[in-house]
Amino acid sequence: GQQVMQIPQYQHVQEGEDFTTYCNSSTTLSNIQWYKQRPGGHPVFLIQLVKSGEVKKQKRLTFQFGEAKKNSSLHITATQTTDVGTYFCAGPRGSTLGRLYFGRGTQLTVWP
Amino acid sequence: DGGITQSPKYLFRKEGQNVTLSCEQNLNHDAMYWYRQDPGQGLRLIYYSQIVNDFQKGDIAEGYSVSREKKESFPLTVTSAQKNPTAFYLCASTGSGNYRYTFGSGTRLTVV
Repeated sequence: GQQVMQIPQYQHVQEGEDFTTYCNSSTTLSNIQWYKQRPGGHPVFLIQLVKSGEVKKQKRLTFQFGEAKKNSSLHITATQTTDVGTYFCAGPRGSTLGRLYFGRGTQLTVWP
Repeated sequence: DGGITQSPKYLFRKEGQNVTLSCEQNLNHDAMYWYRQDPGQGLRLIYYSQIVNDFQKGDIAEGYSVSREKKESFPLTVTSAQKNPTAFYLCASTGSGNYRYTFGSGTRLTVV
Protein backbone atom coordinates (compact mmCIF):
# COMPACT_ATOMS: atom_id res chain seq x y z
CA GLY A 1 0.00 0.00 0.00
CA GLN A 2 0.92 3.63 -0.34
CA GLN A 3 3.45 4.70 2.27
CA VAL A 4 3.67 8.42 1.56
CA MET A 5 0.42 10.33 1.68
CA GLN A 6 0.19 13.86 0.34
CA ILE A 7 -2.63 16.36 0.76
CA PRO A 8 -4.41 18.20 -0.67
CA GLN A 9 -4.56 16.74 -4.17
CA TYR A 10 -5.59 20.09 -5.67
CA GLN A 11 -5.26 23.67 -4.48
CA HIS A 12 -6.50 26.79 -6.22
CA VAL A 13 -5.33 30.14 -4.89
CA GLN A 14 -5.44 33.76 -5.88
CA GLU A 15 -2.08 35.25 -6.70
CA GLY A 16 -0.57 36.61 -3.51
CA GLU A 17 -2.18 34.04 -1.23
CA ASP A 18 -0.15 31.47 0.63
CA PHE A 19 -0.08 27.75 -0.17
CA THR A 20 0.85 24.68 1.85
CA THR A 21 1.08 21.00 0.94
CA TYR A 22 1.56 18.25 3.50
CA CYS A 23 3.25 14.90 3.30
CA ASN A 24 2.83 12.06 5.82
CA SER A 25 4.52 8.71 6.11
CA SER A 26 3.47 5.67 8.11
CA THR A 27 7.13 4.97 8.88
CA THR A 28 10.11 7.06 9.88
CA LEU A 29 11.97 8.43 6.91
CA SER A 30 15.72 8.86 6.75
CA ASN A 31 15.16 11.84 4.49
CA ILE A 32 12.50 13.44 2.35
CA GLN A 33 12.76 15.13 -1.02
CA TRP A 34 10.51 17.61 -2.77
CA TYR A 35 10.05 17.99 -6.52
CA LYS A 36 8.13 20.39 -8.74
CA GLN A 37 6.59 19.48 -12.07
CA ARG A 38 5.39 22.28 -14.31
CA PRO A 39 2.41 21.55 -16.58
CA GLY A 40 3.62 19.44 -19.49
CA GLY A 41 7.07 19.10 -17.93
CA HIS A 42 9.02 16.66 -15.84
CA PRO A 43 9.71 16.66 -12.08
CA VAL A 44 12.61 18.82 -10.98
CA PHE A 45 14.39 18.37 -7.66
CA LEU A 46 13.80 21.20 -5.19
CA ILE A 47 15.29 20.15 -1.88
CA GLN A 48 16.18 17.31 0.46
CA LEU A 49 15.60 17.36 4.21
CA VAL A 50 17.52 15.00 6.43
CA LYS A 51 17.47 16.15 10.05
CA SER A 52 14.62 15.92 12.53
CA GLY A 53 12.85 19.28 12.79
CA GLU A 54 14.83 20.71 9.88
CA VAL A 55 13.58 23.88 8.22
CA LYS A 56 14.98 25.13 4.93
CA LYS A 57 14.04 28.15 2.88
CA GLN A 58 14.35 28.91 -0.80
CA LYS A 59 13.13 32.46 -1.37
CA ARG A 60 9.35 32.25 -0.84
CA LEU A 61 9.40 28.46 -0.27
CA THR A 62 9.75 27.01 3.23
CA PHE A 63 10.29 23.29 3.74
CA GLN A 64 9.90 21.53 7.07
CA PHE A 65 10.70 18.02 8.26
CA GLY A 66 8.83 16.88 11.35
CA GLU A 67 10.46 16.05 14.65
CA ALA A 68 9.52 12.38 14.28
CA LYS A 69 10.65 12.38 10.64
CA LYS A 70 7.28 11.10 9.55
CA ASN A 71 5.85 14.26 8.06
CA SER A 72 6.91 17.20 5.98
CA SER A 73 5.43 20.35 4.53
CA LEU A 74 6.10 22.84 1.78
CA HIS A 75 4.80 26.36 2.27
CA ILE A 76 4.82 29.04 -0.41
CA THR A 77 4.37 32.62 0.71
CA ALA A 78 2.60 35.07 -1.59
CA THR A 79 2.15 32.75 -4.56
CA GLN A 80 2.93 33.90 -8.07
CA THR A 81 1.74 32.52 -11.39
CA THR A 82 5.19 31.01 -11.85
CA ASP A 83 4.47 28.71 -8.90
CA VAL A 84 1.88 26.80 -10.92
CA GLY A 85 2.59 23.09 -11.10
CA THR A 86 2.43 19.86 -9.16
CA TYR A 87 4.54 19.47 -6.04
CA PHE A 88 5.63 16.00 -5.01
CA CYS A 89 7.21 14.73 -1.86
CA ALA A 90 9.24 11.53 -1.97
CA GLY A 91 10.76 9.31 0.66
CA PRO A 92 13.14 6.39 0.45
CA ARG A 93 11.56 2.98 0.39
CA GLY A 94 12.96 -0.16 1.91
CA SER A 95 16.64 -0.78 2.23
CA THR A 96 17.49 -0.12 -1.38
CA LEU A 97 19.21 3.21 -1.51
CA GLY A 98 17.94 5.50 -4.21
CA ARG A 99 14.49 3.97 -4.52
CA LEU A 100 11.91 6.61 -3.77
CA TYR A 101 8.21 6.41 -3.01
CA PHE A 102 6.45 9.46 -4.39
CA GLY A 103 3.35 11.02 -2.94
CA ARG A 104 0.50 11.61 -5.39
CA GLY A 105 1.34 15.28 -5.54
CA THR A 106 -0.52 18.54 -4.97
CA GLN A 107 -1.53 20.36 -8.12
CA LEU A 108 -1.35 24.11 -7.54
CA THR A 109 -3.29 26.56 -9.69
CA VAL A 110 -2.70 30.28 -9.22
CA TRP A 111 -5.28 32.75 -10.51
CA PRO A 112 -3.90 36.16 -11.49
CA ASP B 1 25.66 19.88 -20.42
CA GLY B 2 24.95 16.57 -18.72
CA GLY B 3 21.46 15.23 -18.56
CA ILE B 4 18.98 12.53 -19.45
CA THR B 5 17.52 12.24 -22.91
CA GLN B 6 14.28 10.43 -23.52
CA SER B 7 13.01 9.79 -26.99
CA PRO B 8 10.66 10.15 -28.63
CA LYS B 9 8.65 12.82 -26.83
CA TYR B 10 5.37 11.52 -28.25
CA LEU B 11 4.68 7.99 -29.42
CA PHE B 12 1.59 6.46 -30.94
CA ARG B 13 1.17 2.72 -31.34
CA LYS B 14 -1.54 0.32 -32.24
CA GLU B 15 -2.87 -2.04 -29.64
CA GLY B 16 -0.98 -5.33 -29.59
CA GLN B 17 2.34 -3.88 -30.70
CA ASN B 18 5.47 -3.79 -28.57
CA VAL B 19 7.20 -0.44 -28.31
CA THR B 20 10.59 0.55 -26.89
CA LEU B 21 11.22 3.85 -25.13
CA SER B 22 14.75 5.18 -25.11
CA CYS B 23 16.55 6.65 -22.10
CA GLU B 24 20.17 7.81 -22.30
CA GLN B 25 22.19 9.68 -19.68
CA ASN B 26 25.63 11.27 -19.76
CA LEU B 27 25.79 12.04 -16.04
CA ASN B 28 27.89 8.95 -15.25
CA HIS B 29 25.12 7.89 -12.87
CA ASP B 30 25.06 4.30 -11.71
CA ALA B 31 21.35 3.93 -11.00
CA MET B 32 18.49 4.44 -13.42
CA TYR B 33 14.74 4.21 -12.98
CA TRP B 34 11.55 4.05 -14.98
CA TYR B 35 8.36 5.58 -13.64
CA ARG B 36 4.90 5.75 -15.04
CA GLN B 37 2.69 8.77 -14.41
CA ASP B 38 -1.08 8.78 -14.75
CA PRO B 39 -3.34 11.69 -13.81
CA GLY B 40 -3.99 11.69 -10.08
CA GLN B 41 -1.74 8.66 -9.52
CA GLY B 42 1.60 10.28 -8.94
CA LEU B 43 4.69 8.39 -10.06
CA ARG B 44 4.79 4.62 -9.91
CA LEU B 45 8.01 2.64 -10.21
CA ILE B 46 8.22 0.17 -13.08
CA TYR B 47 11.84 -1.03 -13.05
CA TYR B 48 15.13 0.16 -11.70
CA SER B 49 18.77 -0.71 -12.22
CA GLN B 50 21.58 0.01 -9.80
CA ILE B 51 24.37 -1.32 -11.98
CA VAL B 52 25.06 -2.49 -15.50
CA ASN B 53 23.60 -5.90 -16.37
CA ASP B 54 21.35 -5.89 -13.33
CA PHE B 55 17.81 -4.61 -12.83
CA GLN B 56 14.91 -5.13 -10.45
CA LYS B 57 11.14 -5.01 -10.74
CA GLY B 58 9.28 -2.11 -9.23
CA ASP B 59 5.62 -1.94 -8.23
CA ILE B 60 4.05 -2.26 -11.68
CA ALA B 61 6.52 -4.31 -13.76
CA GLU B 62 3.93 -6.58 -15.38
CA GLY B 63 3.80 -6.01 -19.14
CA TYR B 64 7.13 -4.20 -19.22
CA SER B 65 10.73 -5.26 -19.81
CA VAL B 66 14.09 -3.50 -19.58
CA SER B 67 17.76 -4.04 -20.27
CA ARG B 68 20.92 -2.40 -18.93
CA GLU B 69 23.74 -3.39 -21.24
CA LYS B 70 25.49 -0.03 -20.93
CA LYS B 71 25.78 2.36 -18.02
CA GLU B 72 24.39 5.19 -20.14
CA SER B 73 21.32 3.43 -21.46
CA PHE B 74 18.19 1.94 -19.89
CA PRO B 75 15.53 1.27 -22.53
CA LEU B 76 12.00 0.27 -21.57
CA THR B 77 9.86 -2.02 -23.71
CA VAL B 78 6.11 -1.80 -23.31
CA THR B 79 4.79 -5.16 -24.43
CA SER B 80 1.39 -6.15 -25.71
CA ALA B 81 0.80 -7.78 -22.31
CA GLN B 82 0.50 -4.36 -20.66
CA LYS B 83 -3.24 -3.87 -20.38
CA ASN B 84 -3.35 -0.09 -20.17
CA PRO B 85 -0.12 1.30 -21.65
CA THR B 86 -1.28 4.82 -22.45
CA ALA B 87 0.61 7.04 -19.99
CA PHE B 88 3.48 9.45 -19.46
CA TYR B 89 6.76 7.58 -18.93
CA LEU B 90 9.62 9.16 -17.02
CA CYS B 91 13.19 7.96 -16.81
CA ALA B 92 15.43 9.11 -13.96
CA SER B 93 18.92 8.54 -12.66
CA THR B 94 20.91 9.03 -9.46
CA GLY B 95 24.60 9.22 -8.80
CA SER B 96 26.56 7.31 -6.19
CA GLY B 97 25.88 8.67 -2.69
CA ASN B 98 23.50 11.30 -4.04
CA TYR B 99 19.92 10.19 -4.32
CA ARG B 100 18.49 13.27 -5.92
CA TYR B 101 16.64 12.21 -9.01
CA THR B 102 17.42 13.77 -12.35
CA PHE B 103 14.50 13.16 -14.68
CA GLY B 104 14.33 13.06 -18.44
CA SER B 105 11.68 15.10 -20.21
CA GLY B 106 9.44 12.04 -20.58
CA THR B 107 7.72 10.10 -23.34
CA ARG B 108 3.98 10.36 -23.76
CA LEU B 109 2.75 7.03 -25.12
CA THR B 110 -0.69 6.67 -26.64
CA VAL B 111 -1.97 3.28 -27.69
CA VAL B 112 -4.95 3.24 -30.00
